[in-house]
Amino acid sequence: NAGVMQNPRHLVRRRGQEARLRCSPMKGHSHVYWYRQLPEEGLKFMVYLQKENIIDESGMPKERFSAEFPKEGPSILRIQQVVRGDSAAYFCASSPTTGVLDEQFFGPGTRLTVL
Amino acid sequence: AQSVTQLGSHVSVSEGALVLLRCNYSSSVPPYLFWYVQYPNQGLQLLLKYTSAATLVKGINGFEAEFKKSETSFHLTKPSAHMSDAAEYFCAVSRMDSSYKLIFGSGTRLLVRP
Repeated sequence: NAGVMQNPRHLVRRRGQEARLRCSPMKGHSHVYWYRQLPEEGLKFMVYLQKENIIDESGMPKERFSAEFPKEGPSILRIQQVVRGDSAAYFCASSPTTGVLDEQFFGPGTRLTVL
Repeated sequence: AQSVTQLGSHVSVSEGALVLLRCNYSSSVPPYLFWYVQYPNQGLQLLLKYTSAATLVKGINGFEAEFKKSETSFHLTKPSAHMSDAAEYFCAVSRMDSSYKLIFGSGTRLLVRP
């Protein structure tokens, strides 16, 4: 059973461009979570999605950031008009349900660099 | 608001020595507590978790952690370090009413000297 897949692993964008980060959850997992890790900091929760629904986006910046988890295909974290402060590692996790007894399985992350 | 503090961004031990990684939390309600490990270029892997059962929690790879409510601590220990334990370790907390929302500390990088 493959783990959580994220691509690309590294992404370089110039200021003002768009960044699209993809996350394929583990087979059988319908809950996806996105976290951001700024340099020298811990991971910070961004958003929690189920298929076709955003359940909790309390950690998402109000502007330029959006996330989706369509019925078919991977979850997408989209950052429009990137700025240097968006440079970070973005981690996706998935779980079969949302109970605390269900471990969140993390992907290897996408390292975004904004020039 | 909940928060997690990990004392020491880097900890260095000799192979065979005791590993102690410190984690303190603040929470207005009983928390769930977690330790994750991250190896280079990999995702985070759950080592162990406390969910209000036994206060001494045993995890994978010989690690364990003890929940001490009076000290608001959840320190991670291992009796004897192996070279393969070199990695970054993250302590995390979540609330019962939003258990999916993990709040992480800034991490401690463990170095193991031969």
